[in-house]
Amino acid sequence: GDSVTQMEGPVTLSEEAFLTINCTYTATGYPSLFWYVQYPGEGLQLLLKATKADDKGSNKGFEATYRKETTSFHLEKGSVQVSDSAVYFCALSDYNAGGTSYGKLTFGQGTILTVHP
Amino acid sequence: EAEVAQSPRYKITEKSQAVAFWCDPISGHATLYWYRQILGQGPELLVQFQDESVVDDSQLPKDRFSAERLKGVDSTLKIQPAELGDSAMYLCASSSTKRPTDTQYFGPGTRLTVL
Repeated sequence: GDSVTQMEGPVTLSEEAFLTINCTYTATGYPSLFWYVQYPGEGLQLLLKATKADDKGSNKGFEATYRKETTSFHLEKGSVQVSDSAVYFCALSDYNAGGTSYGKLTFGQGTILTVHP
Repeated sequence: EAEVAQSPRYKITEKSQAVAFWCDPISGHATLYWYRQILGQGPELLVQFQDESVVDDSQLPKDRFSAERLKGVDSTLKIQPAELGDSAMYLCASSSTKRPTDTQYFGPGTRLTVL
């Protein structure tokens, strides 16, 4: 079945440091890929997404490129801020083996990011 | 901006009691999802509705959990009886269709604690 693996966490950085959170996936079909963010005390929010190979999703300075050859969707940001402290989830949504789609999200375990001033 | 509403935000109950959670999706969204998020893990799908019909409840513990979306709008998730292992965050999400490319919008969640 489908699965998502995120890098082990938590990640602690100083403000203005470069961020990479690794994400790899296994899927039977041709999935869409997502990064969701969960700020303390809030629900999940979509950060960015990509729906086909080589697409780059971007938002709020974050970027991720859909790499089909390496089955990866790594999240990057050039200069993190204290306000980026949150839990980041990589997820995929796929067509099932029958060619129809139910659209459910399969999530990784999440990566806690803490940014210090 | 339209949001997914959930209530209550927090619920504390004793084991063997019944609990119910309510979700109101974004207006016009045909697809509604209930996920369960155990502390330190990613959310996992419990049940998915397309309008008023269940399209995936393969991970729903049907001996104690039930879900309905009678008019294809808001939805209720019930647990009876609650067990200690049910302590988790229950998240509701909606999307305009069930296509994998569509964005799912999440509510704030209901945090359940079973004592």
